Amino acid sequence: EAQVTQNPRYLITVTGKKLTVTCSQNMNHEYMSWYRQDPGLGLRQIYYSMNVEVTDKGDVPEGYKVSRKEKRNFPLILESPSPNQTSLYFCASTRAPTDTQYFGPGTRLTVL
Amino acid sequence: AQSVTQPDIHITVSEGASLELRCNYSYGATPYLFWYVQSPGQGLQLLLKYFSGDTLVQGIKGFEAEFKRSQSSFNLRKPSVHWSDAAEYFCAVVQAGSARQLTFGSGTQLTVLP
Repeated sequence: EAQVTQNPRYLITVTGKKLTVTCSQNMNHEYMSWYRQDPGLGLRQIYYSMNVEVTDKGDVPEGYKVSRKEKRNFPLILESPSPNQTSLYFCASTRAPTDTQYFGPGTRLTVL
Repeated sequence: AQSVTQPDIHITVSEGASLELRCNYSYGATPYLFWYVQSPGQGLQLLLKYFSGDTLVQGIKGFEAEFKRSQSSFNLRKPSVHWSDAAEYFCAVVQAGSARQLTFGSGTQLTVLP
């Protein structure tokens, strides 16, 4: 089954404690993205990747890092989380930017 | 920069009534337009998309949308709403040739009354 998986689904942490949210897709897609969803703001792109070792900033990259060492994986790293990063995070993948995006189930992060 | 506006934050309709969700975009060239739906506690699922050609596009679950270049709009419609349509709906746009992928509107929450 074609899918995008994210882990963990729920995470509560404290300010400053480094964390990683994993994302994996099994569709051999070249393009992957991370979004955060906040009430009234829709989804905003954090980072995106066009291929292995090729990443670029989206609209809200501050406080986040990503890496793309393998085609299927695109982890999101918060080196020093802060409460304003409390949000619902989605990973997505696609064959091309103008094609259908496939979204993961989301990760709800709370930073205390 | 491209942008998407969904002017209605929340819409309530009765089951069986018709539905129209508004979407306006700001973009110089012909955009690639999408509607996604997010059911409670779920990820996003594509309803339909427009690239070119016929300006009325059909999607899944009985939804359709019409692209109107003169109004910079891409409104989503359904003739008869079902209770299972209650969800949040997002309009999105992408620039042809861009790798940046989607820019989303802020979403419209749909409530369906029995």
